Amino acid sequence: GAGVSQSPSNKVTEKGKDVELRCDPISGHTALYWYRQRLGQGLEFLIYFQGNSAPDKSGLPSDRFSAERTGESVSTLTIQRTQQEDSAVYLCASSPPFGDTSMNTEAFFGQGTRLTVV
Amino acid sequence: RKEVEQDPGPFNVPEGATVAFNCTYSNSASQSFFWYRQDCRKEPKLLMSVYSSGNEDGRFTAQLNRASQYISLLIRDSKLSDSATYLCAVNKAAGNKLTFGGGTRVLVKP
Repeated sequence: GAGVSQSPSNKVTEKGKDVELRCDPISGHTALYWYRQRLGQGLEFLIYFQGNSAPDKSGLPSDRFSAERTGESVSTLTIQRTQQEDSAVYLCASSPPFGDTSMNTEAFFGQGTRLTVV
Repeated sequence: RKEVEQDPGPFNVPEGATVAFNCTYSNSASQSFFWYRQDCRKEPKLLMSVYSSGNEDGRFTAQLNRASQYISLLIRDSKLSDSATYLCAVNKAAGNKLTFGGGTRVLVKP
């Protein structure tokens, strides 16, 4: 596919369970972002990958949250021991390398994973 | 102070009117600027990049004021379909993350 793909699109889980959210970025995009968006709220930055490394993970709210990226492609966001306050839409975005001829570093978003913790 | 700030609104706009709003950024080294649009329960989508000289795309005009460190978006002849949240995004430099503002909600009413 041409766009950023996220799976699952919806996830309902019981409090205390672990969940894994997946993001397939656009091919060739070196930067990958995870954001959280609660209902009616703005984008909350979680973590940023440049290649496979994460130079900025300052937005991860607690040690229950972790993310990894492999092969400069797929990323997974893992939430352990989910809590009700984790309920939100988790958005992934990717962007091309900075400094290409067009200087375009705009991010392209996936449709998100709607997580509901019951 | 947040890196990127926006007036959350809502801006209530009569159909056909003009509305403009700003986004301020704190880092003077910022290099790339964008406006995104987000509809309710949808992902943000790029509306337009913001160039130093200012740029226009139909009814939308974006401008950059480096001296005062803000970008602006102006919507002319507002349509009901322009109702959305408008997010600005700023990138400092190579290898740095794209930082989003909290969004400005615009409601166009008949």
